Amino acid sequence: AAGVIQSPRHLIKEKRETATLKCYPIPRHDTVYWYQQGPGQDPQFLISFYEKMQSDKGSIPDRFSAQQFSDYHSELNMSSLELGDSALYFCASSQKPGQGYEQYFGPGTRLTVT
Amino acid sequence: AQTVTQSQPEMSVQEAETVTLSCTYDTSESDYYLFWYKQPPSRQMILVIRQEAYKQQNATENRFSVNFQKAAKSFSLKISDSQLGDAAMYFCAYRRALLTNTGTASKLTFGTGTRLQVTL
Repeated sequence: AAGVIQSPRHLIKEKRETATLKCYPIPRHDTVYWYQQGPGQDPQFLISFYEKMQSDKGSIPDRFSAQQFSDYHSELNMSSLELGDSALYFCASSQKPGQGYEQYFGPGTRLTVT
Repeated sequence: AQTVTQSQPEMSVQEAETVTLSCTYDTSESDYYLFWYKQPPSRQMILVIRQEAYKQQNATENRFSVNFQKAAKSFSLKISDSQLGDAAMYFCAYRRALLTNTGTASKLTFGTGTRLQVTL
């Protein structure tokens, strides 16, 4: 079965640079969620989208922005990167309604800021 | 705000034995979902089991079962016949049943995780 695709899988950036993370949800899934997992920490919710509209917002820094496109894929844009942004960034997708709105996680993008 | 607490940072179990991971949560809502996710060294988040708060019956998935105590706000995971492949970080997670204003599922709130070691 098709899963959530995230690209790139690994990304190395320097401080103050920008990064763009991409997420391609499972086919027919229309909702996308972004989570950030710092080293040794639990995943923290950043933001979610449905039909290109923001559904919910968590602890996302102002330096970050995200959007969902008409094909339901989503991009997380991160500017003025800081060392503390080094983390594993997960994208998850779900279907509205369907499968109990279950969120299926992608493999994550590991961002390292040097 | 909802909070999820996992008080066991690390647990160890021998192969073929049974282990129970603890989770407590705090919420003022009556309808919600609880989950256990497994995160192996690959860091992939894998759903292990899910429990709807309105269901009194405890969920089971093969060797995995939960003990859901709604009044005590407790949600423990029991792994029977432990296998080497069960070694991972396990996260307890909460999700409101109430949908967002766009009619989508709310965010997941995770506990801090329990690292499970499986020994021979």
